[in-house]
Amino acid sequence: KAGVTQTPRYLIKTRGQQVTLSCSPISGHRSVSWYQQTPGQGLQFLFEYFSETQRNKGNFPGRFSGRQFSNSRSEMNVSTLELGDSALYLCASSLGLAENTGELFFGEGSRLTVL
Amino acid sequence: AQKITQTQPGMFVQEKEAVTLDCTYDTSDPSYGLFWYKQPSSGEMIFLIYQGSYDQQNATEGRYSLNFQKARKSANLVISASQLGDSAMYFCAMREASGGYNKLIFGAGTRLAVHP
Repeated sequence: KAGVTQTPRYLIKTRGQQVTLSCSPISGHRSVSWYQQTPGQGLQFLFEYFSETQRNKGNFPGRFSGRQFSNSRSEMNVSTLELGDSALYLCASSLGLAENTGELFFGEGSRLTVL
Repeated sequence: AQKITQTQPGMFVQEKEAVTLDCTYDTSDPSYGLFWYKQPSSGEMIFLIYQGSYDQQNATEGRYSLNFQKARKSANLVISASQLGDSAMYFCAMREASGGYNKLIFGAGTRLAVHP
């Protein structure tokens, strides 16, 4: 089955602009979570969506937001971009059920450069 | 305190040899899961192996095995018969039941280089 698909793969923005990233989870997966990866801070959890509701949120400013659609596809948005937002943004999908399983798969990421 | 610690920033191994990548974790949650991911230069996080805190047996997936020592809070990844394609960053991650189903806490990673 198809894996997690993220678009766009690469993008360049300037400070002050906003950006929207998209993630299509594995078919049947209802949970989508987002992570930011930077050389300085490593991999950090942004937020998770399950059945169109934000279920969990990391420690990021309000400029970072997201949503999930009825088909489980998710978008994340970053407004008023700062240089420090340059990062690889990774999306992960899972069934999102209560049992503790290893079913958590990532996409290839969207690499954002802010100039 | 760091929740996930990977003490080896970089490791070298000869092709066809086995290598162990270290990971220690810290949690008071009785229910948790431990993951290992591989990240090649392309950026994709490739799932390797998973160990649940209640699993009695060490997890294995092909050439990957997880040496789970619960009392010592360690979850080392063992790669047997290394291949050149194993050269990548390797991340250990933990999910705590209390933290949320898909909130992973990652270590800083270990860069593995496989030499011919």
